[in-house]
Amino acid sequence: AQKVTQAQTEISVVEKEDVTLDCVYETRDTTYYLFWYKQPPSGELVFLIRRNSFDEQNEISGRYSWNFQKSTSSFNFTITASQVVDSAVYFCALSEEDDSNYQLIWGAGTKLIIKP
Amino acid sequence: DTGVSQNPRHKITKRGQNVTFRCDPISEHNRLYWYRQTLGQGPEFLTYFQNEAQLEKSRLLSDRFSAERPKGSFSTLEIQRTEQGDSAMYLCASSLQGGRHEQYFGPGTRLTVT
Repeated sequence: AQKVTQAQTEISVVEKEDVTLDCVYETRDTTYYLFWYKQPPSGELVFLIRRNSFDEQNEISGRYSWNFQKSTSSFNFTITASQVVDSAVYFCALSEEDDSNYQLIWGAGTKLIIKP
Repeated sequence: DTGVSQNPRHKITKRGQNVTFRCDPISEHNRLYWYRQTLGQGPEFLTYFQNEAQLEKSRLLSDRFSAERPKGSFSTLEIQRTEQGDSAMYLCASSLQGGRHEQYFGPGTRLTVT
């Protein structure tokens, strides 16, 4: 069965600190996709990144970076030099390749609080 | 702006009333999803459409809930005889077909049942 675990319920850091959000997944499929979404206080879920199971290269986008490690079934998200605007709930999600698939398996989310 | 839009953004209704929400997906997306989200929880899947066909409904979706996507474009979600437990954020998302494609979400409709 598929499962996504975000063990950190809430993280609070002071602005400019680096912070890493953990995501551990379970799947028996060899082809799968991992996603991160951001949900700011306004409520809209914003897509951040998709990573497929065959691409273990780390991704960097500005202050955001993602570390995908199949050996540990993890897809962690790091924010460097955090800012107050990064405060949000962050969700990790998993999907299969199959075209008939419709389900995103969601983690419970990690609430990130950036204090000024 | 070609993102997913939802209307209304907020709806307050009295228990027992019917409400209808609308979602306009990204135009080239053939898949459309409805989710419900309560405070402190992740999105809960309700139903999804591929073009105009409703292909899956969650067990969460009671008989009071119905969704349509008549021409494979916009979709409506209706809740009949609302109950206080229906109070939640209702999210719509759209995507291209296939699990490899990310879903893009609308701003949501916050429903409050008094």
